[in-house]
Amino acid sequence: AQTVTQSQPEMSVQEAETVTLSCTYDTSESDYYLFWYKQPPSRQMILVIRQEAYKQQNATENRFSVNFQKAAKSFSLKISDSQLGDAAMYFCAYRSPRFIQTGANNLFFGTGTRLTVIP
Amino acid sequence: DGGITQSPKYLFRKEGQNVTLSCEQNLNHDAMYWYRQDPGQGLRLIYYSQIVNDFQKGDIAEGYSVSREKKESFPLTVTSAQKNPTAFYLCASSMGPGHEQYFGPGTRLTVT
Repeated sequence: AQTVTQSQPEMSVQEAETVTLSCTYDTSESDYYLFWYKQPPSRQMILVIRQEAYKQQNATENRFSVNFQKAAKSFSLKISDSQLGDAAMYFCAYRSPRFIQTGANNLFFGTGTRLTVIP
Repeated sequence: DGGITQSPKYLFRKEGQNVTLSCEQNLNHDAMYWYRQDPGQGLRLIYYSQIVNDFQKGDIAEGYSVSREKKESFPLTVTSAQKNPTAFYLCASSMGPGHEQYFGPGTRLTVT
């Protein structure tokens, strides 16, 4: 089974600064999808950004960008110009393409990184 | 407006009782999912359904049951066979396999 590892249980950043959250994963598949989800205190999961493994270009969404290193199986999230509203738990997730054959479409989640933004 | 609703937000039950968590979506999504989240952990898949009247077990289905009689609804029953039912439960839906999953606000279940 695929595993997703987030080695930073907690991170903090000064408002307006940049922070990078780390994620590594283990897989033998060559084509897959990676995601970063944000879970604020309301606990609703919000999709922040996604990356298809077959794309070499790193995904970006406004102040959020990723550094996808396929060979190293690394998928870090960079948050630029951090805002107070960015404070949340951030989860890295992996989705296998095997759903095409099996119909299973579950996401494999890491244990999360709690981000604190300091005013 | 479109979205996923879960009710109630907080649910309390006595040990030995079955309890059903509600999940409704008006996004016209075919697929729906139930996840469990425990402190310090990510989400784990309990059950999923790709179409009406069909559902499949996820990684931790033991002690849970579901039904999918309507496209909009995917209720989860936590049975007395579930040894550690206290957790945060999240429902999600997607257009289908390969599409993004959108999450509901969750239900916090406490069993004493």
